[in-house]
Amino acid sequence: RKEVEQDPGPFNVPEGATVAFNCTYSNSASQSFFWYRQDCRKEPKLLMSVYSSGNEDGRFTAQLNRASQYISLLIRDSKLSDSATYLCVVRNTGKLIFGQGTTLQVKP
Amino acid sequence: ETGVTQTPRHLVMGMTNKKSLKCEQHLGHNAMYWYKQSAKKPLELMFVYSLEERVENNSVPSRFSPECPNSSHLFLHLHTLQPEDSALYLCASSQDGTGVSPLHFGNGTRLTVT
Repeated sequence: RKEVEQDPGPFNVPEGATVAFNCTYSNSASQSFFWYRQDCRKEPKLLMSVYSSGNEDGRFTAQLNRASQYISLLIRDSKLSDSATYLCVVRNTGKLIFGQGTTLQVKP
Repeated sequence: ETGVTQTPRHLVMGMTNKKSLKCEQHLGHNAMYWYKQSAKKPLELMFVYSLEERVENNSVPSRFSPECPNSSHLFLHLHTLQPEDSALYLCASSQDGTGVSPLHFGNGTRLTVT
């Protein structure tokens, strides 16, 4: 089993839609969780950290479910500019483990 | 200049060549990293330097040799590479090497080994 698993997609959604991605992790002792965004042919950039109580940043909401060992990212009112690959990242004993990424395509 | 800069952006090399990738960070960070990104695979951590000391070598073949002369500069020396080493090589920095602080990536070097 991979340490961090994501559905690669692509998820094709119309503008204005709400879309959610999940990411599962295998190590129950994982300490920190993040979502990074990577645009085509660009470097990854931190989108948001994921806190135990869940957190929101504008149209983006991240949640953590430790019991089921997954994190989620919800995007409301999708924009064309949200088209990117979203990378789930988990910290285990000081190492950051990246998922393969989920590709989102927002269509007009 | 700000952030993390990598050169060259693109590199094509033969299997017998020797080349080096360069990374420079202007963020005052204490940790620097090399990652490899291959198509349809997750980012793979190669090396971590914290305060110029190598703290992680993730079972990387010896044909990849990192060098960190100071906290702002990181090199990846390449020799006798294989075609399967073709990938995007990303440098990153963070405030420290614990994994708590976020990574700031450079825009990468796209390497093709012929």
